[in-house]
Amino acid sequence: DGGITQSPKYLFRKEGQNVTLSCEQNLNHDAMYWYRQDPGQGLRLIYYSQIVNDFQKGDIAEGYSVSREKKESFPLTVTSAQKNPTAFYLCASTERSSYNEQFFGPGTRLTVL
Amino acid sequence: AQTVTQSQPEMSVQEAETVTLSCTYDTSESDYYLFWYKQPPSRQMILVIRQEAYKQQNATENRFSVNFQKAAKSFSLKISDSQLGDAAMYFCAYRSAIEFPNQFYFGTGTSLTVIP
Repeated sequence: DGGITQSPKYLFRKEGQNVTLSCEQNLNHDAMYWYRQDPGQGLRLIYYSQIVNDFQKGDIAEGYSVSREKKESFPLTVTSAQKNPTAFYLCASTERSSYNEQFFGPGTRLTVL
Repeated sequence: AQTVTQSQPEMSVQEAETVTLSCTYDTSESDYYLFWYKQPPSRQMILVIRQEAYKQQNATENRFSVNFQKAAKSFSLKISDSQLGDAAMYFCAYRSAIEFPNQFYFGTGTSLTVIP
Protein backbone atom coordinates (compact mmCIF):
# COMPACT_ATOMS: atom_id res chain seq x y z
CA ASP A 1 0.00 0.00 0.00
CA GLY A 2 1.20 3.47 -0.83
CA GLY A 3 1.60 5.97 1.93
CA ILE A 4 3.83 8.00 4.20
CA THR A 5 5.65 6.58 7.17
CA GLN A 6 7.11 8.55 10.03
CA SER A 7 9.30 7.16 12.72
CA PRO A 8 9.44 6.99 15.58
CA LYS A 9 5.91 7.64 16.82
CA TYR A 10 7.18 8.99 20.16
CA LEU A 11 10.60 10.51 20.69
CA PHE A 12 12.23 11.78 23.84
CA ARG A 13 15.27 13.98 23.83
CA LYS A 14 17.41 15.64 26.40
CA GLU A 15 17.98 19.35 26.16
CA GLY A 16 20.99 20.23 24.03
CA GLN A 17 20.75 17.17 21.81
CA ASN A 18 19.96 17.11 18.11
CA VAL A 19 17.37 14.61 16.96
CA THR A 20 16.27 13.48 13.49
CA LEU A 21 12.72 12.61 12.56
CA SER A 22 12.24 10.24 9.66
CA CYS A 23 9.74 10.64 6.82
CA GLU A 24 9.47 8.24 3.90
CA GLN A 25 6.88 8.11 1.11
CA ASN A 26 6.26 5.58 -1.64
CA LEU A 27 3.64 7.62 -3.46
CA ASN A 28 6.14 8.96 -6.01
CA HIS A 29 5.25 12.48 -4.98
CA ASP A 30 7.53 15.34 -5.94
CA ALA A 31 6.79 17.64 -3.04
CA MET A 32 7.28 16.95 0.65
CA TYR A 33 6.57 19.09 3.70
CA TRP A 34 7.20 19.27 7.42
CA TYR A 35 4.70 20.84 9.79
CA ARG A 36 4.70 21.50 13.48
CA GLN A 37 1.42 21.28 15.35
CA ASP A 38 0.85 22.93 18.71
CA PRO A 39 -2.48 23.22 20.54
CA GLY A 40 -4.56 26.09 19.21
CA GLN A 41 -2.10 26.98 16.45
CA GLY A 42 -2.99 24.65 13.65
CA LEU A 43 -0.26 23.47 11.31
CA ARG A 44 2.81 25.63 10.88
CA LEU A 45 5.15 25.01 7.97
CA ILE A 46 8.78 24.30 8.85
CA TYR A 47 10.34 23.30 5.52
CA TYR A 48 9.21 22.03 2.16
CA SER A 49 10.86 20.52 -0.87
CA GLN A 50 9.64 20.40 -4.44
CA ILE A 51 12.46 18.33 -5.92
CA VAL A 52 15.47 16.33 -4.84
CA ASN A 53 18.38 18.37 -3.48
CA ASP A 54 16.23 21.48 -3.15
CA PHE A 55 14.19 22.79 -0.25
CA GLN A 56 12.78 26.05 1.08
CA LYS A 57 12.21 27.46 4.52
CA GLY A 58 8.71 27.74 5.81
CA ASP A 59 7.36 30.08 8.45
CA ILE A 60 9.21 28.59 11.43
CA ALA A 61 12.46 27.14 10.07
CA GLU A 62 14.76 28.47 12.80
CA GLY A 63 16.30 25.63 14.79
CA TYR A 64 15.44 23.01 12.18
CA SER A 65 17.28 21.54 9.20
CA VAL A 66 16.31 19.14 6.41
CA SER A 67 17.79 17.24 3.51
CA ARG A 68 16.29 15.77 0.33
CA GLU A 69 18.82 13.36 -1.13
CA LYS A 70 16.18 10.96 -2.39
CA LYS A 71 12.71 11.58 -3.73
CA GLU A 72 11.24 9.20 -1.16
CA SER A 73 12.87 10.64 1.93
CA PHE A 74 12.73 14.00 3.70
CA PRO A 75 14.23 13.78 7.21
CA LEU A 76 13.90 16.65 9.67
CA THR A 77 16.58 17.44 12.24
CA VAL A 78 15.56 19.34 15.32
CA THR A 79 18.69 21.05 16.56
CA SER A 80 19.62 22.28 20.00
CA ALA A 81 19.01 25.80 18.69
CA GLN A 82 15.26 25.17 18.62
CA LYS A 83 14.11 26.82 21.84
CA ASN A 84 10.82 24.99 22.30
CA PRO A 85 10.94 21.73 20.35
CA THR A 86 8.29 19.79 22.26
CA ALA A 87 5.47 19.39 19.73
CA PHE A 88 3.73 17.06 17.31
CA TYR A 89 5.43 16.89 13.90
CA LEU A 90 3.65 15.97 10.70
CA CYS A 91 5.20 15.07 7.38
CA ALA A 92 3.18 15.41 4.18
CA SER A 93 3.59 14.95 0.46
CA THR A 94 1.70 15.88 -2.66
CA GLU A 95 1.73 15.80 -6.41
CA ARG A 96 2.75 18.97 -8.22
CA SER A 97 -0.68 19.41 -9.72
CA SER A 98 -2.63 21.94 -7.69
CA TYR A 99 -5.72 19.76 -7.79
CA ASN A 100 -4.12 17.28 -5.46
CA GLU A 101 -4.39 17.28 -1.73
CA GLN A 102 -1.59 16.67 0.71
CA PHE A 103 -1.19 13.17 2.11
CA PHE A 104 -0.01 13.02 5.69
CA GLY A 105 2.03 10.63 7.75
CA PRO A 106 0.91 9.50 11.22
CA GLY A 107 3.14 12.04 12.97
CA THR A 108 5.89 12.02 15.58
CA ARG A 109 5.43 13.35 19.09
CA LEU A 110 8.72 14.87 20.29
CA THR A 111 9.20 15.57 23.96
CA VAL A 112 12.23 17.35 25.34
CA LEU A 113 13.09 16.29 28.86
CA ALA B 1 0.79 35.21 1.72
CA GLN B 2 -2.68 33.78 1.89
CA THR B 3 -4.41 33.47 5.25
CA VAL B 4 -7.07 31.04 6.35
CA THR B 5 -9.29 31.79 9.33
CA GLN B 6 -11.43 29.42 11.33
CA SER B 7 -13.27 31.53 13.87
CA GLN B 8 -14.84 28.66 15.82
CA PRO B 9 -12.25 26.97 18.04
CA GLU B 10 -14.86 24.53 19.35
CA MET B 11 -18.26 23.32 18.18
CA SER B 12 -20.66 20.66 19.40
CA VAL B 13 -23.54 18.83 17.78
CA GLN B 14 -26.09 16.26 18.83
CA GLU B 15 -25.78 12.90 17.18
CA ALA B 16 -27.88 12.75 13.97
CA GLU B 17 -28.10 16.54 13.77
CA THR B 18 -26.42 18.90 11.31
CA VAL B 19 -23.50 21.21 12.04
CA THR B 20 -21.69 23.81 9.97
CA LEU B 21 -18.05 24.73 10.43
CA SER B 22 -16.90 28.09 9.13
CA CYS B 23 -13.81 29.03 7.18
CA THR B 24 -12.79 32.25 5.50
CA TYR B 25 -9.67 32.99 3.51
CA ASP B 26 -7.88 35.95 2.09
CA THR B 27 -6.37 35.87 -1.37
CA SER B 28 -5.97 38.02 -4.45
CA GLU B 29 -5.84 35.00 -6.72
CA SER B 30 -8.72 33.82 -8.84
CA ASP B 31 -7.66 30.21 -9.25
CA TYR B 32 -7.10 28.00 -6.24
CA TYR B 33 -8.25 24.91 -4.38
CA LEU B 34 -9.81 24.55 -0.96
CA PHE B 35 -9.81 21.52 1.29
CA TRP B 36 -11.30 20.32 4.53
CA TYR B 37 -9.24 17.88 6.58
CA LYS B 38 -10.30 15.85 9.58
CA GLN B 39 -7.89 14.96 12.40
CA PRO B 40 -9.41 12.39 14.78
CA PRO B 41 -7.86 11.53 18.15
CA SER B 42 -5.39 9.25 16.35
CA ARG B 43 -4.01 12.51 14.84
CA GLN B 44 -3.95 11.05 11.33
CA MET B 45 -4.98 13.80 8.91
CA ILE B 46 -7.68 12.68 6.51
CA LEU B 47 -9.05 14.56 3.52
CA VAL B 48 -12.78 15.15 3.85
CA ILE B 49 -13.65 17.20 0.79
CA ARG B 50 -12.13 19.37 -1.93
CA GLN B 51 -13.45 22.38 -3.87
CA GLU B 52 -12.08 23.91 -7.05
CA ALA B 53 -12.48 27.69 -7.10
CA TYR B 54 -13.46 27.75 -10.77
CA LYS B 55 -16.43 25.50 -10.10
CA GLN B 56 -19.62 27.17 -8.97
CA GLN B 57 -21.17 23.92 -7.86
CA ASN B 58 -20.57 23.06 -4.23
CA ALA B 59 -18.72 19.83 -3.58
CA THR B 60 -20.46 16.96 -1.81
CA GLU B 61 -19.11 13.73 -0.34
CA ASN B 62 -21.84 11.63 1.26
CA ARG B 63 -22.82 13.41 4.50
CA PHE B 64 -20.26 16.18 3.96
CA SER B 65 -20.93 19.20 1.78
CA VAL B 66 -19.53 22.67 1.41
CA ASN B 67 -20.97 26.10 0.92
CA PHE B 68 -18.45 27.88 -1.27
CA GLN B 69 -18.97 31.61 -1.65
CA LYS B 70 -16.12 32.85 -3.82
CA ALA B 71 -16.96 36.55 -3.65
CA ALA B 72 -17.21 36.42 0.11
CA LYS B 73 -14.13 34.16 0.34
CA SER B 74 -16.03 31.76 2.51
CA PHE B 75 -15.81 27.96 2.55
CA SER B 76 -17.97 26.33 5.20
CA LEU B 77 -18.34 22.60 5.84
CA LYS B 78 -21.71 21.09 6.59
CA ILE B 79 -21.90 17.71 8.27
CA SER B 80 -25.33 16.10 8.08
CA ASP B 81 -26.61 13.25 10.26
CA SER B 82 -23.62 13.65 12.58
CA GLN B 83 -22.09 10.45 13.91
CA LEU B 84 -19.88 9.80 16.91
CA GLY B 85 -17.01 9.07 14.55
CA ASP B 86 -17.19 12.63 13.23
CA ALA B 87 -15.72 13.92 16.48
CA ALA B 88 -12.36 15.39 15.52
CA MET B 89 -10.40 18.52 14.74
CA TYR B 90 -11.31 19.94 11.36
CA PHE B 91 -8.89 22.06 9.36
CA CYS B 92 -9.63 24.22 6.38
CA ALA B 93 -6.79 24.55 3.85
CA TYR B 94 -5.99 26.65 0.78
CA ARG B 95 -3.71 25.79 -2.13
CA SER B 96 -2.90 28.19 -4.92
CA ALA B 97 -3.28 26.95 -8.48
CA ILE B 98 -0.64 29.26 -9.86
CA GLU B 99 1.91 29.81 -7.14
CA PHE B 100 5.15 27.90 -7.40
CA PRO B 101 6.24 26.26 -5.28
CA ASN B 102 2.86 25.18 -4.01
CA GLN B 103 2.25 25.79 -0.37
CA PHE B 104 -0.79 24.82 1.61
CA TYR B 105 -2.19 27.30 4.09
CA PHE B 106 -4.12 25.94 7.04
CA GLY B 107 -6.55 27.44 9.50
CA THR B 108 -6.15 26.93 13.23
CA GLY B 109 -8.82 24.27 13.33
CA THR B 110 -12.23 23.64 14.88
CA SER B 111 -12.66 20.95 17.50
CA LEU B 112 -15.98 19.16 16.94
CA THR B 113 -17.67 17.25 19.75
CA VAL B 114 -20.55 14.91 18.95
CA ILE B 115 -22.97 14.43 21.82
CA PRO B 116 -24.72 11.04 21.99
